[in-house]
Amino acid sequence: AQSVTQLDSQVPVFEEAPVELRCNYSSSVSVYLFWYVQYPNQGLQLLLKYLSGSTLVESINGFEAEFNKSQTSFHLRKPSVHISDTAEYFCAVSVASGGYNKLIFGAGTRLAVHP
Amino acid sequence: SAVISQKPSRDICQRGTSLTIQCQVDSQVTMMFWYRQQPGQSLTLIATANQGSEATYESGFVIDKFPISRPNLTFSTLTVSNMSPEDSSIYLCSAYSEPLYGYTFGSGTRLTVV
Repeated sequence: AQSVTQLDSQVPVFEEAPVELRCNYSSSVSVYLFWYVQYPNQGLQLLLKYLSGSTLVESINGFEAEFNKSQTSFHLRKPSVHISDTAEYFCAVSVASGGYNKLIFGAGTRLAVHP
Repeated sequence: SAVISQKPSRDICQRGTSLTIQCQVDSQVTMMFWYRQQPGQSLTLIATANQGSEATYESGFVIDKFPISRPNLTFSTLTVSNMSPEDSSIYLCSAYSEPLYGYTFGSGTRLTVV
């Protein structure tokens, strides 16, 4: 069965420091990978996704993620974080099941940016 | 991508009662999904809602407890039946629309059972 592992439940970091949120997946077939962000008391927002093509994908707010097939990873990075990046980040994989695809989520990583 | 309106946004319910959550999508979508997010936890898929057929439930979830309707390509409901405090969670609906392979989420329903 396909699954998603987020290796860090919490990541504290100081403002303007770089950050990496780790995500590994298990799959024997081609995958589609996603990162979602959930700000406090809000719904889920798509941050970025990998479907095919370039293994490096970027979001409009400075985050990027790199698909690494050999390491089955899709780590999220940002070179300089802001206080406003404090949120819960979820990695997800699209799983084929019964003729359609469904999203399976990792446990989440809480990013806490301190001044 | 599609925009989802989910309601109610929150509710406090008595144990033993039922609550129906509605999701309206602003465009036709092929698949809709319902998730549960327990306090401090990740999202767990409850079921997939197909238009015109019965929903497909994940392991650990049953139709009697979480009946789902999908009468057309833009609307779905999830009912949480015979509620207990353990059902206190955030419930989210999601829509999948092609061709951009987008999964959009509603803003969630925060349910508290007392």
